[in-house]
Amino acid sequence: DAKTTQPPSMDCAEGRAANLPCNHSTISGNEYVYWYRQIHSQGPQYIIHGLKNNETNEMASLIITEDRKSSTLILPHATLRDTAVYYCIVSFPFSGYSTLTFGKGTMLLVSP
Amino acid sequence: DSGVTQTPKHLITATGQRVTLRCSPRSGDLSVYWYQQSLDQGLQFLIQYYNGEERAKGNILERFSAQQFPDLHSELNLSSLELGDSALYFCASSLGLAGVYSYNEQFFGPGTRLTVL
Repeated sequence: DAKTTQPPSMDCAEGRAANLPCNHSTISGNEYVYWYRQIHSQGPQYIIHGLKNNETNEMASLIITEDRKSSTLILPHATLRDTAVYYCIVSFPFSGYSTLTFGKGTMLLVSP
Repeated sequence: DSGVTQTPKHLITATGQRVTLRCSPRSGDLSVYWYQQSLDQGLQFLIQYYNGEERAKGNILERFSAQQFPDLHSELNLSSLELGDSALYFCASSLGLAGVYSYNEQFFGPGTRLTVL
């Protein structure tokens, strides 16, 4: 699986958009970008995934650059409950044959 | 609530002992994954089972073993425990149908906190 690089920490004011970057310059053509988050000591939670098109769901938006070497997770209106470690992972999509490798992630602190 | 259950929530034991952690996947999920999260190592993949068969192995020690039963629940057995085995152990499940395009959306349980004294 391709390696990812994320900033160790970020701050965001409550109600503002949180933009979390991820670099994955060695991503291969069939690898997807997945985002998970982990609120303190809870099990990680799936957020969103994408291949090359921008994706949006009820939790977040995922913007992938055209060359697919980087992506940004956007939480449009961050709340205090969004304080968590956010993991960017690239992996092949067949869960029967591949696994998720979690790096150190980005600790997002949302403040009032 | 992810739908994945893990028991027990907390486990305190002594070095040299053996423990069993249990996981029940979401209804309909065929794949079960085990992860270990310690302060210094982060979240590490241990092993995956799909429909009763071992599918992938990560950084799992020989002292550790797992299995998935016909009802799809899974158990992680940790033996000859050492202080360094103290960690949070997470189980995750996914649909994981072989040959079907699956998006690696894994649902994690609340974890079992193991403390080895």
